[in-house]
Amino acid sequence: AQSVSQHNHHVILSEAASLELGCNYSYGGTVNLFWYVQYPGQHLQLLLKYFSGDPLVKGIKGFEAEFIKSKFSFNLRKPSVQWSDTAEYFCAVKEVDTGRRALTFGSGTRLQVQP
Amino acid sequence: DSGVTQTPKHLITATGQRVTLRCSPRSGDLSVYWYQQSLDQGLQFLIQYYNGEERAKGNILERFSAQQFPDLHSELNLSSLELGDSALYFCASSVSANYGYTFGSGTRLTVV
Repeated sequence: AQSVSQHNHHVILSEAASLELGCNYSYGGTVNLFWYVQYPGQHLQLLLKYFSGDPLVKGIKGFEAEFIKSKFSFNLRKPSVQWSDTAEYFCAVKEVDTGRRALTFGSGTRLQVQP
Repeated sequence: DSGVTQTPKHLITATGQRVTLRCSPRSGDLSVYWYQQSLDQGLQFLIQYYNGEERAKGNILERFSAQQFPDLHSELNLSSLELGDSALYFCASSVSANYGYTFGSGTRLTVV
């Protein structure tokens, strides 16, 4: 079965530090890829998505992610984090060419940004 | 406001009881997905409905069931509740999962 791995469970950074959160998936076929963010007490919101084309995608709030097909990875990056980026971040994968109809989520990475 | 409405926001109930969680999808979305989020299991897909029909099942227990009504709102029924069922239950809607979901704010269920 498809699996999505987020190896960093809890990341603590100071403001202005750079961020990179890892995401790896197991499915070898065509995928659509997503990063969602969940701020404390709120619902999951879409940060960015990749369907095809340029493997470097830009999302909201200065986030970007790079799809590396050979590594089955879709890492999330931000050059300079802010205190307001404190949240939980989820990577999700949708198999495009199978009968699987739902997104598979990683276990999430909790980011804590210290002022 | 994401456009996906879930009620109630919080629910506290006793073991053995039955509860119903409700979800209204974003306008125009025909698909509704239910997920359970717990600390140790992450976000687990439970079930999907599309335009009133069940389309996909994930790790949904036999004690749990769902339906989608003609007005496209969906209900998740949880019965014979156990302490381990305590979790956040999210509903999401989409035109197609290929393009991602819009999530509701969730229902926090506490079983005591």
